Amino acid sequence: QVQLVQSGAEVKKPGASVKVSCKASGYPFTSYYMHWVRQAPGQGFEWMGIMNPGGTSANYAQKFQGRVIMTRDTSTSTVYMELSALRSEDTALYYCARPRLPGPDDAFNIWGQGTMVTVSS
Amino acid sequence: DIVMTQSPDSLAVSLGERATINCKSSQSVLSSSNNKIYFAWYQQKPGQPPKLLIYWASTRESGVPDRFSGSGSGTDFTLTINSLQAEDVAVYYCQQYYSSPYTFGQGTKLEIK
Repeated sequence: QVQLVQSGAEVKKPGASVKVSCKASGYPFTSYYMHWVRQAPGQGFEWMGIMNPGGTSANYAQKFQGRVIMTRDTSTSTVYMELSALRSEDTALYYCARPRLPGPDDAFNIWGQGTMVTVSS
Repeated sequence: DIVMTQSPDSLAVSLGERATINCKSSQSVLSSSNNKIYFAWYQQKPGQPPKLLIYWASTRESGVPDRFSGSGSGTDFTLTINSLQAEDVAVYYCQQYYSSPYTFGQGTKLEIK
């Protein structure tokens, strides 16, 4: 079945970087965009950015410009989200999410299980 | 950025009754080129990722019970849950996917009265 499986929880110190992976299966990986969304504890959702199917370009939310890099490895059907210069406010559950259909502008019907990133000294 | 504002923040409804959640966008999410409304509703239960319920403002995702329905156009939207079941206890979020950044509402917590 179609699924996204993310890497495990991370604990990082302020100023460090974290790289979260999201492995896709059950669908043509190179046909779909992939979004990243985060959810701080007890809070709502914050969209971080989107990577195109070919992995050649990404569109990041202005808030994360300069701190986030999204990449993908088509040989392993895995997308990555790296966030640098971490601060305590980055403590959150990070999700990858796939749109319903090929194309960027569609609702997200497939979600990873989430990766908890904790930033603490 | 398009701001999504939900109301109420929390809601308690008796089993078998109707629940209504509203969402307002700060600008229209209706595309004039294809007449589609780029708006969705999600349900999130504790410890789980969100589940897509409704897309294009009123189209139910496959497998979603027909007691869930969405309506609205332009900037004002409603999620209606008829005949509330115990398993509907969750937080509900609206989202616009009309333009980047794809913003979400703050969530509405639905409980049983």
